[in-house]
Amino acid sequence: DTAVSQTPKYLVTQMGNDKSIKCEQNLGHDTMYWYKQDSKKFLKIMFSYNNKELIINETVPNRFSPKSPDKAHLNLHINSLELGDSAVYFCASSPDSNEQFFGPGTRLTVL
Amino acid sequence: KNEVEQSPQNLTAQEGEFITINCSYSVGISALHWLQQHPGGGIVSLFMLSSGKKKHGRLIATINIQEKHSSLHITASHPRDSAVYICAVYPFYFGTGTSLTVIP
Repeated sequence: DTAVSQTPKYLVTQMGNDKSIKCEQNLGHDTMYWYKQDSKKFLKIMFSYNNKELIINETVPNRFSPKSPDKAHLNLHINSLELGDSAVYFCASSPDSNEQFFGPGTRLTVL
Repeated sequence: KNEVEQSPQNLTAQEGEFITINCSYSVGISALHWLQQHPGGGIVSLFMLSSGKKKHGRLIATINIQEKHSSLHITASHPRDSAVYICAVYPFYFGTGTSLTVIP
């Protein structure tokens, strides 16, 4: 009955690899987000999709590409991973602009 | 300068103490949020405020729209309150978080 789920929870990989993080929500929300949380716990928005359409795309390297196959899923694909990509990535979903439900996070470590 | 500023950055308290975390913001808002993140990482929404005051158990959140300031208070703090508390204006603006440690 998890509202917003992410897989995997932990991801350890080598520099230069390509990896994906999956996010699914069963809340029926139209809007989903990806956030990056750095080592100082600072959250920064990366992308937002509304009904499979990209609506927010902050200054994020082109190596990051979100994909939304349907409004319940928003996956994050990262090409050519770099050391600086190591962070915790949170997916969230929202019924409107005033509320968000966060996933459990994916801790990405790039070696 | 961050659009949402929190203080203090770190806070250590003895069990039972009254705790206050402050948040100032410089953007227009329809609502401000307080989030809690426990060690281990999950983010939980504590409060959504657009005016006045809200209370949930030992947690109280207040907001002053004119002064663009919000506070989160914890009464009778407990070690299980140890977490990072983040104020946020969705979806763009997040405070840097306050790391709270409550010592038994």
